[in-house]
Amino acid sequence: RKEVEQDPGPFNVPEGATVAFNCTYSNSASQSFFWYRQDCRKEPKLLMSVYSSGNEDGRFTAQLNRASQYISLLIRDSKLSDSATYLCVVNSPGGYQKVTFGTGTKLQVIP
Amino acid sequence: GAGVSQSPSNKVTEKGKDVELRCDPISGHTALYWYRQSLGQGLEFLIYFQGNSAPDKSGLPSDRFSAERTGGSVSTLTIQRTQQEDSAVYLCASSADRRTQYFGPGTRLLVL
Repeated sequence: RKEVEQDPGPFNVPEGATVAFNCTYSNSASQSFFWYRQDCRKEPKLLMSVYSSGNEDGRFTAQLNRASQYISLLIRDSKLSDSATYLCVVNSPGGYQKVTFGTGTKLQVIP
Repeated sequence: GAGVSQSPSNKVTEKGKDVELRCDPISGHTALYWYRQSLGQGLEFLIYFQGNSAPDKSGLPSDRFSAERTGGSVSTLTIQRTQQEDSAVYLCASSADRRTQYFGPGTRLLVL
């Protein structure tokens, strides 16, 4: 089993739709979780951290389910500019907090 | 700006040549990471630096790959005797807290 798994998509959704992605992780001792966004031919950029209590930033909501070992990202009222690949990132304990990136979920918002 | 910078932005080389890629992290960031991303693929971890030492080199694909970091700042990734399968985007990231990473724009390497 991969350490971090994501559905590669693509998710094709109309503007204004709500879309959700999940990301599962295998190490139950994982400590911190993030969502990054990567535009085509660009570097990844931090979108938001994921807190145990869940957190919201505008149209974006991130949640953590430790029992089932997954994190989720919900995007409401999708915009064309949301089209990108969304990377799940998990930090696991170790000598230096090993960082593992998922392979990403591609989102395409359609006019 | 004050972000992570990488050079060159693009590099075309012939099979068998050596290449050196450079990363300038954000000032004060002690952690530095190198990744490789092939077209349409996810990020492949290569190596992690904390200061000038590399506690985790487990991602380096072969002994043709090496990296160093000096002065707790600039890092260079060297690929010797390049092969066509080395063609990819090489991304560098730095972090102040070993949690949030800030990426550079990457070096696009093409081995002919």
